[in-house]
Amino acid sequence: AQSVTQLDSHVSVSEGTPVLLRCNYSSSYSPSLFWYVQHPNKGLQLLLKYTSAATLVKGINGFEAEFKKSETSFHLTKPSAHMSDAAEYFCVVSGLYMDTGRRALTFGSGTRLQVQP
Amino acid sequence: EPEVTQTPSHQVTQMGQEVILRCVPISNHLYFYWYRQILGQKVEFLVSFYNNEISEKSEIFDDQFSVERPDGSNFTLKIRSTKLEDSAMYFCASTTGTGEGNEQFFGPGTRLTVL
Repeated sequence: AQSVTQLDSHVSVSEGTPVLLRCNYSSSYSPSLFWYVQHPNKGLQLLLKYTSAATLVKGINGFEAEFKKSETSFHLTKPSAHMSDAAEYFCVVSGLYMDTGRRALTFGSGTRLQVQP
Repeated sequence: EPEVTQTPSHQVTQMGQEVILRCVPISNHLYFYWYRQILGQKVEFLVSFYNNEISEKSEIFDDQFSVERPDGSNFTLKIRSTKLEDSAMYFCASTTGTGEGNEQFFGPGTRLTVL
């Protein structure tokens, strides 16, 4: 079984300050981890992904995330928030179910990022 | 840049009516998915589809639901007799493969409201 916990349902930052969106996961197998972003009336867009290569992953729009196996975390960060970063962010884990061969996506509950001017 | 599209963006229906949600996946993708998100809850997997048949479905995907790819481009989700609890945002996704780290590309969603 696998699960994802996004520790904050809502984060508010000021423009130009750092962003930290927290994600913890559990998985019986070596997972792939993703962060998706959803802007209003848009589809879910991939920000970045971890697939057992480098533990520090760089994504689009200046976002990055660090995979920490010992802490089972995959927190999303950005050094300086921009107004256009205001959106809903989803942490997603994909793990291979060895018994079925299915690679399932499990979503976190989402974090709404608000950026204040 | 190619993208997944979904129509309609918002569907309102009466309880007991049939609805069809439509998706056009990215043209060279082979695997197709439906997810739903009830307001205030997590995005949940419904079904995956490959080679013109369902490859996996969740416990949510009961006999009221069906999927098909009628013409090689559209991918539809049908709910035969809608219930109030079917009200949700429905997302379609597609991908080229199911290997490690394969990204699923999502559409903007269809908001279904059942009255």
